[in-house]
Amino acid sequence: AQKVTQAQTEISVVEKEDVTLDCVYETRDTTYYLFWYKQPPSGELVFLIRRNSFDEQNEISGRYSWNFQKSTSSFNFTITASQVVDSAVYFCALSEARAGTYKYIFGTGTRLKVLA
Amino acid sequence: ETGVTQSPTHLIKTRGQQVTLRCSSQSGHNTVSWYQQALGQGPQFIFQYYREEENGRGNFPPRFSGLQFPNYSSELNVNALELDDSALYLCASSLARGRGTDTQYFGPGTRLTVL
Repeated sequence: AQKVTQAQTEISVVEKEDVTLDCVYETRDTTYYLFWYKQPPSGELVFLIRRNSFDEQNEISGRYSWNFQKSTSSFNFTITASQVVDSAVYFCALSEARAGTYKYIFGTGTRLKVLA
Repeated sequence: ETGVTQSPTHLIKTRGQQVTLRCSSQSGHNTVSWYQQALGQGPQFIFQYYREEENGRGNFPPRFSGLQFPNYSSELNVNALELDDSALYLCASSLARGRGTDTQYFGPGTRLTVL
């Protein structure tokens, strides 16, 4: 079965601290995609990153970085020097190509609170 | 902004009624997916439309139905509303390019409350 687990329900940090959001996934497919989305209070899911299963290279984008490890089925997200504007719910998602349906399977999300 | 729009923003209905939610996809995208997000949960896949045909369905009853139009906009219809249908309904558009997925871009959602 496909599954995404985000064990951290809520994290609170003080501004400028680094924070890592964990994501563990389960899949039997060899070809799959992993995503992170940010959901601010407005509700819209904002795309942050997409990774395919053949590319384990870590990625950095400004203060954001992602660590993909197939050996542990994890795709963790780190925010460096957090800011109040980073406060949101963050979702990790898994996508498989099953019979042409590219549905996303989401975790339950991690609520990040960055305190000034 | 993604260019994906949804209407209405909020909606209040009573149990047993029917509701139609609308989504306008991003320019150039031909695939629309609908998700239900209950409070405190991650989005759950309802169904997907590709070039006006249903292209897969999640674990939702038949009273959840949809349409996609030639301009790739879409509707989600829910009949016989139940209290548990109260949720944020998200629409996502993408450009299907054969095998492999393309990134789904989400709209702001419609918050449905069933009383």
